[in-house]
Amino acid sequence: EDQVTQSPEALRLQEGESSSLNCSYTVSGLRGLFWYRQDPGKGPEFLFTLYSAGEEKEKERLKATLTKKESFLHITAPKPEDSATYLCAGQSNDYKLSFGAGTTVTVRA
Amino acid sequence: NAGVTQTPKFQVLKTGQSMTLQCAQDMNHEYMSWYRQDPGMGLRLIHYSVGAGITDQGEVPNGYNVSRSTTEDFPLRLLSAAPSQTSVYFCASSYAGQVGSEQFFGPGTRLTVL
Repeated sequence: EDQVTQSPEALRLQEGESSSLNCSYTVSGLRGLFWYRQDPGKGPEFLFTLYSAGEEKEKERLKATLTKKESFLHITAPKPEDSATYLCAGQSNDYKLSFGAGTTVTVRA
Repeated sequence: NAGVTQTPKFQVLKTGQSMTLQCAQDMNHEYMSWYRQDPGMGLRLIHYSVGAGITDQGEVPNGYNVSRSTTEDFPLRLLSAAPSQTSVYFCASSYAGQVGSEQFFGPGTRLTVL
C-alpha cells in the first residue's frame, strides 16, 4: 500500500529563519512527487512536481528536492505570508495521488 | 475561467439523510476526483473519473456514489449519512492520467453529520 509521511506536523519559525520540511514516501512506481500549499478554509494549491531523484525546483522562497525515498521543501528566509499547511503527495503508476497529512508552518514577524 | 466550483460550502445533516455535493469545472479536464480531508489523516481519495461515463472507486468509497454524465460535472452522493462522514470534501480536476498533471482543487464543502 502506498504511504506518504510528512514531518514535522507543525513548524513555528521567526521571519527570516530558514528551515526544511520532510516528506517520506513509499509509492509503487512513483510517477511524480507533488507539493501543494493549503491556506485555512481553502483547497490545496499546486506548487511543484518532481519526477526523478536529484531533481530540484524553486519558486520564490521555496525549493523542493527529491531523493529515492524522500522529498524536502526548503523555505529560505520565510515571511509571514508563507504561513500555510504544506502537503506532499506521491503519484503511483495508476496515476492516483496518495497524500501526507501535511506540515503546518507558522511564520512570526 | 471559474476553475473548480463546489456547492454547498457548508452543510449539516442528520444521521440517515441523503444529499448530493455538487462539483463543476470549466477547464475541459477529463479527470475528476473527490477527496475527504480529516484532521491528521491527509486527503483520501473517495471516487474518481477519467471521463464522461467512467467512474471508479478510490481508497474510501463506502457510503458514497458518483456518476459522470458530462465532462463538466461530477456530483458526489451520500446515500445515508453517518457521523463518520463528517469531514471536509474537496473536488479536483486535471488532464486525464498525465504524469505530473497538476490537480486543481475546489474550495471544499464542510459537512457535519449529527
